[in-house]
Amino acid sequence: RKEVEQDPGPFNVPEGATVAFNCTYSNSASQSFFWYRQDCRKEPKLLMSVYSSGNEDGRFTAQLNRASQYISLLIRDSKLSDSATYLCVVIVGGGFKTIFGAGTRLFVKA
Amino acid sequence: DGGITQSPKYLFRKEGQNVTLSCEQNLNHDAMYWYRQDPGQGLRLIYYSQIVNDFQKGDIAEGYSVSREKKESFPLTVTSAQKNPTAFYLCASTGQFNQPQHFGDGTRLSIL
Repeated sequence: RKEVEQDPGPFNVPEGATVAFNCTYSNSASQSFFWYRQDCRKEPKLLMSVYSSGNEDGRFTAQLNRASQYISLLIRDSKLSDSATYLCVVIVGGGFKTIFGAGTRLFVKA
Repeated sequence: DGGITQSPKYLFRKEGQNVTLSCEQNLNHDAMYWYRQDPGQGLRLIYYSQIVNDFQKGDIAEGYSVSREKKESFPLTVTSAQKNPTAFYLCASTGQFNQPQHFGDGTRLSIL
């Protein structure tokens, strides 16, 4: 079983749609959680951190459920520019171990 | 502006040749990382370094070597022992263990 699992997609949605991505992690010692965005042939870029209380940044909302070891990302009112691969990232406590999920591809179409 | 600089952007390797990819950061970060990404795949950790003069193997270290003589620099050498080097190579750094990694814009390596 992979330490961080994501649905690879692709998710194909029309502009304006709401789309949700899920991610599960297996290590209960995981301490920090993030979502990254990676455009085609580019480096990953930090999108947002994820907290148990939930956090929102404009159209993006991230949520952490420690009991279920589950992370989510919700994108509202999708734009064409949201088309990318979204990576779920987990940092395991006690060191510098960062685990990247394989990513979920999103295509937003006009 | 602070950031991570990788060079070159594109690199071609001949059969039997060693090549070195550069990674420099001016973020004053202690930890640095090298990843390999194949088309349509996730990131795989090659090597990482938490402090100067110390580094550890990641999941796919065979055929690669690194050095960490300065805090700012973490070069990766792809040796001739790496038989399938064609990939996108990404360098990253972080200042504290619970903070997200910042990435350079990568080097694309191909075989001639």
